Amino acid sequence: RKEVEQDPGPFNVPEGATVAFNCTYSNSASQSFFWYRQDCRKEPKLLMSVYSSGNEDGRFTAQLNRASQYISLLIRDSKLSDSATYLCVVNTGNQFYFGTGTSLTVIP
Amino acid sequence: DVKVTQSSRYLVKRTGEKVFLECVQDMDHENMFWYRQDPGLGLRLIYFSYDVKMKEKGDIPEGYSVSREKKERFSLILESASTNQTSMYLCASSLALGRDITDTQYFGPGTRLTVL
Repeated sequence: RKEVEQDPGPFNVPEGATVAFNCTYSNSASQSFFWYRQDCRKEPKLLMSVYSSGNEDGRFTAQLNRASQYISLLIRDSKLSDSATYLCVVNTGNQFYFGTGTSLTVIP
Repeated sequence: DVKVTQSSRYLVKRTGEKVFLECVQDMDHENMFWYRQDPGLGLRLIYFSYDVKMKEKGDIPEGYSVSREKKERFSLILESASTNQTSMYLCASSLALGRDITDTQYFGPGTRLTVL
């Protein structure tokens, strides 16, 4: 079983739409959680950390559900520039584990 | 801003060649990592280092070795390149003390290696 699982998509949404991604993790002792964004042929870059109480950064909201072992990312009012692959990342205290990514394309 | 640089963006080598991939970070980070990224498989950890001269195997260390002689530099070595090592190689670093690796990782631009 993979440490981190994501729906690969692709998600194709119109501008202005709200889109949500989920990610599940297998290790209940996981300690820290992140969402990264990766543009085509570029390196992953941190989008936001995910805190137990949930956190928001502008149009982006991240949630953590430890009981069900999943994290989510909500993007409101999608922009063309949000088109990218979103990687879910979980740290167990010993290692980072990356999901395979969810592809988002925002359509004009 | 954290800057992680990698020696080459694109590299083409022949089977059996010895390949060196260099990574340098300029933020005095303790931890450095080497990953490879393949379609459908995501990022997989090859090796990481939490201190100078220290290294630990990741999930797929076979066919690779690493060297960390200075804090800012972490090298990945393919002793005898094979075609199944064709991949995107990403270096990352994070600020943490000792073996605490829960801190955010910062990635270099990647090296796309092709082994013919």
